Amino acid sequence: GAVVSQHPSWVICKSGTSVKIECRSLDFQATTMFWYRQFPKQSLMLMATSNEGSKATYEQGVEKDKFLINHASLTLSTLTVTSAHPEDSSFYICSFGRNNEKLFFGSGTQLSVL
Amino acid sequence: RKEVEQDPGPFNVPEGATVAFNCTYSNSASQSFFWYRQDCRKEPKLLMSVYSSGNEDGRFTAQLNRASQYISLLIRDSKLSDSATYLCVVTLGNKLVFGAGTILRVKS
Repeated sequence: GAVVSQHPSWVICKSGTSVKIECRSLDFQATTMFWYRQFPKQSLMLMATSNEGSKATYEQGVEKDKFLINHASLTLSTLTVTSAHPEDSSFYICSFGRNNEKLFFGSGTQLSVL
Repeated sequence: RKEVEQDPGPFNVPEGATVAFNCTYSNSASQSFFWYRQDCRKEPKLLMSVYSSGNEDGRFTAQLNRASQYISLLIRDSKLSDSATYLCVVTLGNKLVFGAGTILRVKS
């Protein structure tokens, strides 16, 4: 099956810094990728849908200027958390889908902001 | 009301037990239904799709009731390795909506 590579797996950073998370599809050209966030004991919440070559579509309540998404190629999407704060500490995970039948997930990034 | 609701558990069961999880969804326009398994701080992994006719995969049986907007997962002969969080997932348009998950702990 398709493989998605996400890194870094863990990030610990100071408040106010920016963090970039990369997600690559290794054997599939992904025209659409999804970014999720998961707080402890909560469900995965869709943050935004990343479309190759166009602007990402953000879910209600997600600040597009704080969570910058770039999907410049068919194999790479990035999420940048700008000026991170402790409340941004969460598990971030990317995925792409095929015809709504299956999602291929990255391994996730645990972000801890001090 | 949440779009997808699950009993958070935890369900603590002995090895060999049969355990059932339930899930309800609020939007009748939901199209596809899945159960995913997630281990702590890992990516979710597809366990099985759910169909109205019901489907079985080894020890796992999933059932969908569209009229009641209800999905179930039955695990027979529980193994220690079944310990995880089970996520109920529905699709709406091109989006997947996740339940918060039900924690299962299988003990020897």
